[in-house]
Amino acid sequence: GEDVEQSLFLSVREGDSSVINCTYTDSSSTYLYWYKQEPGAGLQLLTYIFSNMDMKQDQRLTVLLNKKDKHLSLRIADTQTGDSAIYFCAEIGTGFQKLVFGTGTRLLVSP
Amino acid sequence: DTAVSQTPKYLVTQMGNDKSIKCEQNLGHDTMYWYKQDSKKFLKIMFSYNNKELIINETVPNRFSPKSPDKAHLNLHINSLELGDSAVYFCASSPGVSNSPLHFGNGTRLTVT
Repeated sequence: GEDVEQSLFLSVREGDSSVINCTYTDSSSTYLYWYKQEPGAGLQLLTYIFSNMDMKQDQRLTVLLNKKDKHLSLRIADTQTGDSAIYFCAEIGTGFQKLVFGTGTRLLVSP
Repeated sequence: DTAVSQTPKYLVTQMGNDKSIKCEQNLGHDTMYWYKQDSKKFLKIMFSYNNKELIINETVPNRFSPKSPDKAHLNLHINSLELGDSAVYFCASSPGVSNSPLHFGNGTRLTVT
């Protein structure tokens, strides 16, 4: 079955880079996603990467994928207090359009 | 605004009651979903419908019954509510083509007392 793991907490200072890590088990994953959830809000799609890519950059966000180790990371450059939220990685698991989420990483950015 | 919208945003009710949560999307998507987020923020899929047909049912108790009157709507009816049903329920939709991202509603916080 599918299993997606993340570390639960990350604390950084404003202006630093944040790196949020994710590991997954489903080798048939073709797309992997990063979602952001602010307090009391829904999930906002941040970015995604196709499994035949190693890296994708989108403004302050860099996604790195190591398919051999089934490891995905999200780097946020110049982290701001407004980036404080829970970040979920997710993969399309086996079956029709079934998005499987990681456990979520709570990012706290202090001034 | 193009969006996935859920109502109500908050729902407080007593054990044993029956309640419904409504979801509508105006994105023209073919596939809709219900996810449950527990108190530890774990997100788990409950159901998925594609063009009004049930395609995913993740061993959810049969007290939960999704209903899709058309492909733009997926409602969730819950019978005989239990304390453990307290959670945030998210509706989502996607175009239904392989690996397209899901668009989420803002969630319904259900509290069962």
